Amino acid sequence: QVTLRESGPALVKPTQTLTLTCTFSGFSLSTSGMCVSWIRQPPGKALEWLARIDWDDDKYYSTSLKTRLTISKDTFKNQVVLTMTNMDPVDTATYYCARIDTQMGAFDIWGQGTMVTVSS
Amino acid sequence: SSELTQDPAVSVALGQTVRITCQGDSLRSYYASWYQQKPGQAPVLVIYGKNNRPSGVPDRFSGSSSGNTASLTITGAQAEDEADYYCNSRDSGGNHYVFATGTKVTVL
Repeated sequence: QVTLRESGPALVKPTQTLTLTCTFSGFSLSTSGMCVSWIRQPPGKALEWLARIDWDDDKYYSTSLKTRLTISKDTFKNQVVLTMTNMDPVDTATYYCARIDTQMGAFDIWGQGTMVTVSS
Repeated sequence: SSELTQDPAVSVALGQTVRITCQGDSLRSYYASWYQQKPGQAPVLVIYGKNNRPSGVPDRFSGSSSGNTASLTITGAQAEDEADYYCNSRDSGGNHYVFATGTKVTVL
């Protein structure tokens, strides 16, 4: 059974750096075709794709946020980490990690999400 | 443009059929995938590729595509299908992803 779980701070102050961890099980990020993405959703708003990391360590970032995002993986720990710098109240959102199976071409399994509030 | 657009809301009578559409230039090159999201829950994949359903998704959900428009059809809508539905695809460049703004489906 494939599962993903996000973890990180519930509250960060403006200008701080957010670090989120996605811990997964049931698949390996060293397997060809496996990828993990981060997606966020502000309260009452739509989903927004943030970043993706592939089994071969290729990385892709949202054009609008690429200067603030870094995605990395620890294959042995089955974790993917996203950092977002210079947090602002508009970054308040639920942050999800999701697996991408490139054969399916879709986000097939999602974590439950973690709510992050940016406030002083 | 890499934007995807959906109608904000649609309603359907219990047991009837509803079609949700998603438009965008990238859909000429890439299939859409569709996600169901109920309040307070994470999105769930319901359709991907040409017209594929993950295991466990009822066969009343189906997908289709023509030109720059992808569609999700619920045939015989049930009360539990009331949710927000989002379409998603790669952007025109192929390495990024874009989500549409979502359609709220109300089952009457």
